[in-house]
Amino acid sequence: DIQMTQSPSSVSASVGDRVTITCRASQGIGSWLAWYQQRPGKAPKLLIYAASSLHSGVPSRFSGSGSGTDFTLTISSLQPEDFATYYCQQANSFPLFGGGTKVEIK
Amino acid sequence: QLQLQESGPGLVKPSETLSLTCTVSGGSISSTTYYWGWIRQPPGKGLEWIGSMYYSGNTYYNSSLESRATISADTSKNLFSLRLNSVTAADTAVYYCATLRGSYCDHWGQGTLVIVSS
Repeated sequence: DIQMTQSPSSVSASVGDRVTITCRASQGIGSWLAWYQQRPGKAPKLLIYAASSLHSGVPSRFSGSGSGTDFTLTISSLQPEDFATYYCQQANSFPLFGGGTKVEIK
Repeated sequence: QLQLQESGPGLVKPSETLSLTCTVSGGSISSTTYYWGWIRQPPGKGLEWIGSMYYSGNTYYNSSLESRATISADTSKNLFSLRLNSVTAADTAVYYCATLRGSYCDHWGQGTLVIVSS
C-alpha cells in the first residue's frame, strides 16, 4: 500500500520566515497531490491541488512543487494566520493523507 | 456557495451503529461535479478518508473500514449519510463530510465529534 510521509513533523518559525514542508510518497503518484491547512478546532482547507495549482482564494505566498514521489509546500513569508497544521494528500487513487506538519510560533 | 453541515449523535455505545448526516446547501447532491465523502480525525491525530459516493450511487470505501461503513444519499432531502457499525473506542473522532473533485477535498463541513463510550 502507498504511504505518505511528511517532514518535519513540526517546525518553529517567526512571522516573515520562509517555511518549507516536504511530503514523500512511497511510490510515484505523478502530480496527484494536494496540500491542506488546518487551524485548531477547524476543518481543513484545500490550499494546493495537482501539486502546484493554487486553490481559489488562497494567498500567493503559498506554493507547491514536485512530482513523482517528492513534493514540497512553501510559505514564502509566514503570516500570523499561517500558524497551523499542514497535511499532504495523495490523489492518485483514493484519498490518503500524510501525518501532518505543525507550524508553530518561534 | 456550497455549504455542508454534519449532524448526528455525539455519543455512541460500543458495538452499536454510528449514524451521521451531511446536509448540503448551495448545490445539489445530484450534481455530476462532485463526489460526496466522509473523512474522520481522531483527537490529536491525522486525517483518514472513510469513503465517497457519486451521484450515480457508486460508492468507494477505505479498505480498512469497508466491511463496516455505508454511505448513502437522500436526493429528496439533498443530504448524504454515513453509517458505521460495530463501533469501538477507536472510532472516536471528529467526522467531516466533504465534497471531492476527483480525490481533492475542496469543501468541508465544520465537523462533528463522535465519542464511543458506554
